[in-house]
Amino acid sequence: DAGITQSPRHKVTETGTPVTLRCHQTENHRYMYWYRQDPGHGLRLIHYSYGVKDTDKGEVSDGYSVSRSKTEDFLLTLESATSSQTSVYFCAIRRAGTNTGELFFGEGSRLTVL
Amino acid sequence: KNEVEQSPQNLTAQEGEFITINCSYSVGISALHWLQQHPGGGIVSLFMLSSGKKKHGRLIATINIQEKHSSLHITASHPRDSAVYICAVKAQGGSEKLVFGKGTKLTVNP
Repeated sequence: DAGITQSPRHKVTETGTPVTLRCHQTENHRYMYWYRQDPGHGLRLIHYSYGVKDTDKGEVSDGYSVSRSKTEDFLLTLESATSSQTSVYFCAIRRAGTNTGELFFGEGSRLTVL
Repeated sequence: KNEVEQSPQNLTAQEGEFITINCSYSVGISALHWLQQHPGGGIVSLFMLSSGKKKHGRLIATINIQEKHSSLHITASHPRDSAVYICAVKAQGGSEKLVFGKGTKLTVNP
C-alpha cells in the first residue's frame, strides 16, 4: 500500500475556519498529489508536488494551498473553509519511472464544512 | 465533453458472469490507469497500461492506442468484485495531470 496515511480521516468544521489535511508516506516517493472526489465529478486534482518545496496547481486549486517541507509529508490547507469544499480528499503517490508510474492512494479524508 | 468517457455507468451482473467495462478518451496519452473503489473505501490501483494487455488473476486490461480505447474485463465475477471502477489517463507531454472518468458502478449479485 506504499505506506500512505492521511489525517484526520474525518473532520467537521465551520465555514471560515482553517483546515489542514496531512498526507504522510514512508517510501520516499517524489510525486505526491491531492485530489478531491465529489458525486458526479469523479476525482479532480487540487495540487501536486514533485519534490521538497516543489509544488504546482491542479484543475481545482482555488481556495487551497499546499506545502511540502519534507519528502514524506504533503499538507493541504484550506485557509478559510467554505461549504463547497465539503468533499472526500485523497492523497496519492506515484512511482515514477519508465515501467512503473503505478498510483497508490491514501484511505481518504472526509471533510464536512457546515 | 469529458475527455474520458466510461461505459456503462452502472452494471449489474450475476455471479460467474464475464464483465466488460469500457473507457474511451480523446487525447494522446502516455499511460492509462484502472482503479477500483469499494463502497466507503479507499482507491486501489489495478493496472497501469501504455500498450497491449495486462492480466492479474481474474482481471484483464487491454488498450488500443490507435482507437483511444481501453477495456477492463472480469472473468468469473464474484460479489466481492462489486465496486466502482475508474479509468484515468495521463496525457502526453509530461503533465502530471490525470484525467479521470466518472466511474462504472458494478454490482455482482450472488
